[in-house]
Amino acid sequence: ETGVTQTPRHLVMGMTNKKSLKCEQHLGHNAMYWYKQSAKKPLELMFVYSLEERVENNSVPSRFSPECPNSSHLFLHLHTLQPEDSALYLCASSQANSPLHFGNGTRLTVT
Amino acid sequence: GQNIDQPTEMTATEGAIVQINCTYQTSGFNGLFWYQQHAGEAPTFLSYNVLDGLEEKGRFSSFLSRSKGYSYLLLKELQMKDSASYLCAVKATGANNLFFGTGTRLTVIP
Repeated sequence: ETGVTQTPRHLVMGMTNKKSLKCEQHLGHNAMYWYKQSAKKPLELMFVYSLEERVENNSVPSRFSPECPNSSHLFLHLHTLQPEDSALYLCASSQANSPLHFGNGTRLTVT
Repeated sequence: GQNIDQPTEMTATEGAIVQINCTYQTSGFNGLFWYQQHAGEAPTFLSYNVLDGLEEKGRFSSFLSRSKGYSYLLLKELQMKDSASYLCAVKATGANNLFFGTGTRLTVIP
């Protein structure tokens, strides 16, 4: 149990589907993040929310749409994805300058 | 831009010592982190350096030289369970996020 829970763990979707990834943190942190992890590439930051406001959007295509309804929950809404979007999507949370706490990720496959 | 370099793969023997290096070039510096990630699992925090020198935590130590843009993670008395990827990450000044290297996949052999 990492304190950050992501669902689902695995997701297979077609290019025309719409799906959502969910993240929940039980650590009382005030910042939440979405990262993309592809094989042989560094972790790429996608979005940052601090106190429920989006503070960073790292040039991510509009087919990825984040939502942060409160400080404990973060969603990533997916629509009309491409096969190159297949990757591990990691959610993380932190408080001020404390280390990031990651969830176990959602392994996404786009067919 | 930001650049974090670390070796892609390393192999070491159970019971031995291994050093994983990381060099970085970032716009400002506000700390360096090491994370461990087992296959299919979340990255977990190992160490944090913001001042020059060595931080020791059990079998793991991390060293930082800010003037050289260099850090290493030292793992002693290696165990089979230490087989994992080790991620070096740097926080740039004023940044909301960490910039990660590609990770070093360490394989510990008997």
